[in-house]
Amino acid sequence: EVQVVESGGGLVKPGGSLRLSCAASGFTFTETWMSWVRQAPGKGLEWVARIKSKTDGGTTDYAVPVKGRFTISRDDSKNTLYLQMSSLKTEDTAMYFCTAENWYTFYYWGQGALVTVSS
Amino acid sequence: EIVLTQSPGTLSLSPGERATLSCRASQSVSSGYLAWYQQKPGQAPRLLISGASSRTTGIPDRFSGSGSGTDFTLTISRLEPEDFAVYYCQQYGSSPPYTFGQGTKLEIK
Repeated sequence: EVQVVESGGGLVKPGGSLRLSCAASGFTFTETWMSWVRQAPGKGLEWVARIKSKTDGGTTDYAVPVKGRFTISRDDSKNTLYLQMSSLKTEDTAMYFCTAENWYTFYYWGQGALVTVSS
Repeated sequence: EIVLTQSPGTLSLSPGERATLSCRASQSVSSGYLAWYQQKPGQAPRLLISGASSRTTGIPDRFSGSGSGTDFTLTISRLEPEDFAVYYCQQYGSSPPYTFGQGTKLEIK
């Protein structure tokens, strides 16, 4: 059974930092491209960041609004994905979903981690 | 950046009716890189269709996808009560790699 479980969400002040984790199981994590997708309250879906598998170079890509502030990484020995978020802004308030990709689609999703940026 | 525009914003239909949801791209999208998702309140999105027309395992055959170039369609042939949700299209491109449409809310009339 596939499981994707996010953790690390919470309340943080503007300018602060937070690290999200995503524990995955039930599929071959090491061969899977992984992404973070977020959804602001009452809004649509927004892709945030992607990391390819190490066999495909392990390269990363970021959406323009988070580039330079967020860092996506992976620990294949732990089947875990991370999102380090710094210089957080109020507009980063959202549910953050960890997703496993399959042929450029978001195939498996976690239930999300809520990040609230507020003073 | 490829912008996806979904229409209508809200679609009000009754169970048993046919639903047709549109996704229009600002530039041509390879059919292999167009997907549809369903999201219910309080839940994560669920992949329905990939490659514009291929149903994901376990998705009922009343869901079908079609289209090419800049115009894509998700059709639900006969609506069941559990189909009322928000639907998003998504494409894979170059920069940024992925974009979503703004969503179509399918509500019970």
